[in-house]
Parts: sequence; structure tokens; C-alpha cells
Amino acid sequence: GAGVSQSPSNKVTEKGKDVELRCDPISGHTALYWYRQSLGQGLEFLIYFQGNSAPDKSGLPSDRFSAERTGGSVSTLTIQRTQQEDSAVYLCASRGTGVSYNEQFFGPGTRLTVL
Amino acid sequence: AQTVTQSQPEMSVQEAETVTLSCTYDTSENNYYLFWYKQPPSRQMILVIRQEAYKQQNATENRFSVNFQKAAKSFSLKISDSQLGDTAMYFCAFIDTSGTYKYIFGTGTRLKVLA
Repeated sequence: GAGVSQSPSNKVTEKGKDVELRCDPISGHTALYWYRQSLGQGLEFLIYFQGNSAPDKSGLPSDRFSAERTGGSVSTLTIQRTQQEDSAVYLCASRGTGVSYNEQFFGPGTRLTVL
Repeated sequence: AQTVTQSQPEMSVQEAETVTLSCTYDTSENNYYLFWYKQPPSRQMILVIRQEAYKQQNATENRFSVNFQKAAKSFSLKISDSQLGDTAMYFCAFIDTSGTYKYIFGTGTRLKVLA
């Protein structure tokens, strides 16, 4: 089936605007992760959803960041009042099932540029 | 705290040669998985290989193999017969399967395969 998809692929916004980034995980995957990757850097964990449990929000850098996952499928990461330091690639991943239970499947990412 | 360390920010290798990327980790847990992910310039993260901590046998996937030293908490990736398409960022990652299911990533090694 289809892999993890993210939209938009690229987003340019002005400082102070709100943005929404979308992630469609692989069908049937109950665990979903958001990461931030600054230019040339590693992955910074943001938030983790597992089924109907309360999400692990321990990686969100400030209260301007929030995420939700509707119906256990699509997830939206919202950044309010964007700042230039928010510029990065935002990656979404869902965790597999069965023999791939511990494997993450990544989307192509959204490159966010805050001017 | 659980950590993953990749001490080689950049490496290069001649086409058809063999290269080894280093990764060390720190955990007090016994149940975990280790992964190597590849991120080419297209930025799509792709799983290269994974290792279950309870398995003593080193994982192999075609030209890719690992040297898993559990006592030393070392997990290196060997790429044999390097190809130009292997040029990418390589990330080592760890997941504690008895706890939070949060993945910890190293800072990455940028590998360039030279023609």
C-alpha cells in the first residue's frame, strides 16, 4: 500500500503567521511520531501518538507547537506565531505492525521556511 | 538517560570499497532494537538494517551488515562494495521496547562515495 505522506512538501510563511502541517500515516499503523530536523542536523523528537492513549508531548519546544490526531489516522502539527528558528524540515513517521512492529516508516517531510 | 552517539560527522569512501560507520549507545535496558537509517538528498528516510538486542547474530542485508557488540554498546554499520547511490546521511537509532517506545537518534554521519 501507500507509504506515509505529508503535505505540503514545502511551506514558506512570514514570521508571526500560523502554519499547519499534515501527515497521513500508513493505514493500520497506530503509532505516529513527529520530528524536527534542522539543516544538516539529526532528528529532534516532538510528539508521539499511540492509539487512543494520551500523546507524549515531551518534545514540543514551546506552547506555540501543538498536534492532534483525528480518528487515529491523520495528524496535524500546528505552529502558532511562527519564528525564524522554526525553519526546519518536519518529518512524520508511523510505526509498523506485525513483523515490522518496531520499525518506523517515514514520510518525505515538510520543509518549513519562516521569513 | 538513553543516548546514541555517532562520532564521525563526515566520511568518504571510494566506489567499490568498504566503509564502516560507528555508533555507540547508552541504556540500562535489556529489550531494545537498533536501526540504521539512510537519508539521501531527497530527504526520504529509509531503513537500512535493524538489529534486535536479544539476537547475538549480526544482521545483514545484502551489502550492509552490522557489528553488534552488546556488552560494549556498540552498533557499527559496514557497507561493502560502496556505490554512488550510497551517498547519504546515515542515522543510528535506538528504541527501548520495554518502555516509552520513543526513538533516540544519533546526530548522523554524512557519507560521500567517490567515483
